[in-house]
Amino acid sequence: KAGVTQTPRYLIKTRGQQVTLSCSPISGHRSVSWYQQTPGQGLQFLFEYFSETQRNKGNFPGRFSGRQFSNSRSEMNVSTLELGDSALYLCASSFLAGAYNEQFFGPGTRLTVL
Amino acid sequence: GQQVMQIPQYQHVQEGEDFTTYCNSSTTLSNIQWYKQRPGGHPVFLIQLVKSGEVKKQKRLTFQFGEAKKNSSLHITATQTTDVGTYFCAGRDYGQNFVFGPGTRLSVLP
Repeated sequence: KAGVTQTPRYLIKTRGQQVTLSCSPISGHRSVSWYQQTPGQGLQFLFEYFSETQRNKGNFPGRFSGRQFSNSRSEMNVSTLELGDSALYLCASSFLAGAYNEQFFGPGTRLTVL
Repeated sequence: GQQVMQIPQYQHVQEGEDFTTYCNSSTTLSNIQWYKQRPGGHPVFLIQLVKSGEVKKQKRLTFQFGEAKKNSSLHITATQTTDVGTYFCAGRDYGQNFVFGPGTRLSVLP
């Protein structure tokens, strides 16, 4: 089985721009979660989608949004980028949603905001 | 909100020595998961603990979940250079999102 794929792998943007990141989960997985990883804050949960519905949302401003499509692929969008948004954005898929499911992480998208 | 702490933040060991990292939650957890992230890589699932007092072993790795379901530990016996990486615990209290600990970065000197 192919693993979780994320595109693009690297991205450079300037303050004020917006960005869209894409995640394709493992075939058959219906849950996708997004995380932000920075050296200072570690891994922080952004949101979780299951069957096109957002199930949980972390403590991030409204500039961060996401969606999931009928084929379980997911996108996250960050509008009005700030320097502090520079981070590795990780997507994780699992077969089902909920606490007891193993998460499979993708390689991440490294976003740099100048 | 829920907080998950890990100690130590860094650990340097000589190859062959043992290593332990501890994870503590401010709230009771429904379950806890452990992940390993190699330098430049992404987190990889190691194990999940669900029951109070549960102990699981994977070769040289031993995982424990505390009786009160608020703490956990990962012990590696006789470390090898392939054990290098950051070990994260991730806990979810009932009905909430996963919260990852800050991780313990392990260096193994050959």
